[in-house]
Parts: sequence; C-alpha cells; structure tokens
Amino acid sequence: QKEVEQDPGPLSVPEGAIVSLNCTYSNSAFQYFMWYRQYSRKGPELLMYTYSSGNKEDGRFTAQVDKSSKYISLFIRDSQPSDSATYLCAMSAGGGNKLTFGTGTQLKVEL
Amino acid sequence: GAGVSQSPSNKVTEKGKDVELRCDPISGHTALYWYRQRLGQGLEFLIYFQVNSAPDKSGLPSDRFSAERTGESVSTLTIQRTQQEDSAVYLCASSLDYGTPAFFGQGTRLTVV
Repeated sequence: QKEVEQDPGPLSVPEGAIVSLNCTYSNSAFQYFMWYRQYSRKGPELLMYTYSSGNKEDGRFTAQVDKSSKYISLFIRDSQPSDSATYLCAMSAGGGNKLTFGTGTQLKVEL
Repeated sequence: GAGVSQSPSNKVTEKGKDVELRCDPISGHTALYWYRQRLGQGLEFLIYFQVNSAPDKSGLPSDRFSAERTGESVSTLTIQRTQQEDSAVYLCASSLDYGTPAFFGQGTRLTVV
C-alpha cells in the first residue's frame, strides 16, 4: 500500500463548477500538507501549504486537512479552463525537505 | 534567471552510459532539492542540499546516483551506468532557507534505451 493515495482521474468538469480533489494517507506522523499544480511538461508549483488539521483559504482555493481521518482535500471554486492541470498532494512529517507525493489527479475544466 | 533552470530538457542515452543533469536554482535560495518522477508514480525525493549543512542523501536509490552542489550555486546530478529503470523526469527545486520546495524547474526527461 502506498503511503499517499490519490485518484489519478481524469476529472472533467464544466467551467464554473466547484472541484474537489482528495488524498488519503497512512503515515500518522505527517503534519505538513501541500498541494501543487503541474501543467503539462512543466514542473510543479506550490499552491497551498497547511500545517496540521484545519482549513486554509487563498482566493478560489481552499485546503482542508482532517488528520483523524488521514484525509486532505483541495477545493477550487468557480473553476476556469486555466485550472486544467494535474494536481499533486504532498506531505511530510518534519518540514519541507523530504516530501511524499501522491501520483496526481488530472483535472480538465471545459468551456 | 527568474526561475529554476534545468538542462538538458531532454536526454536520450544508451544503457550503461553515464549522464549528468544540471540545475540552476533561483538566486539567493539556499535550499535545493532533487526529485524523480517516473511514469504513473508520484515524485520521489532523491537529495536535499542546504548551505553549511551536510546534504540529505537518503533518497538516492543506489550508489550509481550522486549529486554535488557548491555553495548556493549550480547542482549536478550524476547517474552512472544508466539502467532502463532510471528513465524518468528529474526535477530540481529551490527555496529560501529550510522550507517547502515552492519552485520546481521544468525537469530533465531522461530516456535510457
């Protein structure tokens, strides 16, 4: 079993929809949780960074962490075609230098 | 440059040959990371450099892999006697101090034939 599980998709939604992306994990030591966006043939870029449980909002993006369920989510409101990309969750036990990544969920937002 | 720069962008090599991959971090970033992304798999941590600290090499998969970095400058990742399972995209990232890698380069796509 992988330490971090993420549905690969693809997930296809109409423009303006609310998107929910999720990851589950097995290592209870994970305390730092990140979401990255990766466009085709590009490197990942950090979208959201949260520590421990709770919610964090940044514009159209909201990250949620439920450590009791070992479950994290990224919500995208008012999705745009420019949000079409692969979204990677990542997490670590002790800071940011050694991250464990999910395999990524491919999202397509259609006009 | 404005971002993390990696070269070459693509590399095709014959099995058994050595390859060297290069990463230019963002100026002023003291931390530098190498990750590997194999098809259908998540990014795998390889190595982490922080200025004035010993590198964390715990992710290097075998002794065929080595990496160097001098100060805050360029890093090179060397793979000796390449194998087909080394085929992957090798990604470099940098960050200020000890923190989450925020900025990745576009990677070097290595194909071992």
